[in-house]
Amino acid sequence: AQTVTQSQPEMSVQEAETVTLSCTYDTSESDYYLFWYKQPPSRQMILVIRQEAYKQQNATENRFSVNFQKAAKSFSLKISDSQLGDAAMYFCAYRRRDRDDKIIFGKGTRLHILP
Amino acid sequence: GAGVSQSPSNKVTEKGKDVELRCDPISGHTALYWYRQSLGQGLEFLIYFQGNSAPDKSGLPSDRFSAERTGGSVSTLTIQRTQQEDSAVYLCASSRGRVGNQPQHFGDGTRLSIL
Repeated sequence: AQTVTQSQPEMSVQEAETVTLSCTYDTSESDYYLFWYKQPPSRQMILVIRQEAYKQQNATENRFSVNFQKAAKSFSLKISDSQLGDAAMYFCAYRRRDRDDKIIFGKGTRLHILP
Repeated sequence: GAGVSQSPSNKVTEKGKDVELRCDPISGHTALYWYRQSLGQGLEFLIYFQGNSAPDKSGLPSDRFSAERTGGSVSTLTIQRTQQEDSAVYLCASSRGRVGNQPQHFGDGTRLSIL
């Protein structure tokens, strides 16, 4: 069975600084997607960034980038120039690629932005 | 509508009562998912509908939980004889198709509180 592990329940970063959130996963599949979702207090899950496992190049979306290490099954999220609006729960997630399937989520990391 | 709509936003009920939670997916989305988010936890998959196929019920925690999807659109999640451990946020998501590259769009969830 696939699992996703986030070992940092909470993190804090000074506004404008850079922070990295860690995630590891386990799967026997070779082709899959990895995601980072943001959940602000409004509860809505917002897709931040997506990585396709067959792509070696790390995905980037503006201030958000990932470090995808397939052999190590590691998928960290880097947030540059942190902003107050980045404060939220961040969930790492996995989904197999060959069909429309459920997403498997980690337990999340709560990110605090210090002004 | 523009996004996934869930109702009610909040529900408080007494232990032992039945509850129904509603999800209205994005128009044209054939796949619909229910997840549960307990306090301090990630999202736990409950059930998945895809078109007219038999639903994947593998995540339902007990036979008190059931869901249906009428006309391939609106879905209702029913919890019978509610228990305090059922207290959680119930999130619904929908996506366009059968392959794994279709993003899941989430609603704002229903916060269920069992007294």
